[in-house]
Amino acid sequence: DAKTTQPPSMDCAEGRAANLPCNHSTISGNEYVYWYRQIHSQGPQYIIHGLKNNETNEMASLIITEDRKSSTLILPHATLRDTAVYYCIVRGTSGTYKYIFGTGTRLKVLA
Amino acid sequence: DGGITQSPKYLFRKEGQNVTLSCEQNLNHDAMYWYRQDPGQGLRLIYYSQIVNDFQKGDIAEGYSVSREKKESFPLTVTSAQKNPTAFYLCASSIDGAVRGRYRPNYGYTFGSGTRLTVV
Repeated sequence: DAKTTQPPSMDCAEGRAANLPCNHSTISGNEYVYWYRQIHSQGPQYIIHGLKNNETNEMASLIITEDRKSSTLILPHATLRDTAVYYCIVRGTSGTYKYIFGTGTRLKVLA
Repeated sequence: DGGITQSPKYLFRKEGQNVTLSCEQNLNHDAMYWYRQDPGQGLRLIYYSQIVNDFQKGDIAEGYSVSREKKESFPLTVTSAQKNPTAFYLCASSIDGAVRGRYRPNYGYTFGSGTRLTVV
């Protein structure tokens, strides 16, 4: 499974868009990009995933570059409840299906 | 509502004791996983199971044991051989597994709310 690199922390003003970057330069063709978030002392929560097209759901949008070496998670109107650690993970379609979690980005939404 | 339940929420263990953490899911998921999280760190995989009566070691399996006798249940035992067991333990499940025959990426993991284990 490809390794990901994320900034350790970011701040965002409440009501503004939060853009969280992720580098996955060694991603292979059959690996998907997943995003999860973990609010303090809780289990991680699935947000969104994608292969090569941009994706949007009720929580967020995922923008994947054309070469698939990086992606950005966008929370369009961040609220205080979005303060959490955000994990970017790539996962293949063969083998053990397991995730490899990095240390993620600690997003702090400021009032 | 379907979900994944971990118990207890807090657990205290004396030195040299074995303790078992419970994980139950009613999502009809094939695969189940145990992760450990230390303060300020990401999650590390302990064990995983893709099908009943089968499980595989993850990256930090030493000092831990699991069983998968039922699809719904994947208990984790922290043995006395685990020298630094104080951590936050997370159980997860996913619909994909060996019985499906192929990977279905449309589903992520569902995590439990965790068990915080402290050695006293």
